[in-house]
Amino acid sequence: AQSVAQPEDQVNVAEGNPLTVKCTYSVSGNPYLFWYVQYPNRGLQFLLKYITGDNLVKGSYGFEAEFNKSQTSFHLKKPSALVSDSALYFCAVDDNYGQNFVFGPGTRLSVLP
Amino acid sequence: DTAVSQTPKYLVTQMGNDKSIKCEQNLGHDTMYWYKQDSKKFLKIMFSYNNKELIINETVPNRFSPKSPDKAHLNLHINSLELGDSAVYFCASSQFTGSTGELFFGEGSRLTVL
Repeated sequence: AQSVAQPEDQVNVAEGNPLTVKCTYSVSGNPYLFWYVQYPNRGLQFLLKYITGDNLVKGSYGFEAEFNKSQTSFHLKKPSALVSDSALYFCAVDDNYGQNFVFGPGTRLSVLP
Repeated sequence: DTAVSQTPKYLVTQMGNDKSIKCEQNLGHDTMYWYKQDSKKFLKIMFSYNNKELIINETVPNRFSPKSPDKAHLNLHINSLELGDSAVYFCASSQFTGSTGELFFGEGSRLTVL
């Protein structure tokens, strides 16, 4: 069965600095990898995905993620953080065309002004 | 126009009661899901329906029953509510036959059992 780990419960970064939110995964077949963001009292919103192809994936709001097969990682990055990026971020993996999503435990990102 | 909508947004009830949460998607997706988010924000899948057939049931107690009158709707009915059922329940949908697997979520229904 697949699993997702987000080793950091909380990430703090100063506005304007680069940010990284870490994710590692375990899946038996080819992974489909996703990042979602959740703002307070809201549903999850899709940020980006890796299905195949280029290892660097660009998504919404200036976020990008790099797929690293050898390290089984899919870290979320942004070159310059904004205060409005403060939210809960979830990494997810699927190996069955949308039928078998597994979410990580989430990482709370706080961007300090 | 809301893609995935669920009602009610808030629900406060007593132990032992029966309640339902409704969900509708207007995206034409084939698969719908119910997720439970606990107080620690951990997300766990409860059910998924594809073309009106249950395809995942993650050992959820049988007090919980999903009902799908058509592929645009997936309602969640809960019998004999317990304190531990307090959580935020999210409905989601995805295109089953596509390769993206991207989920679209509703805004959530916060259930509080007293």
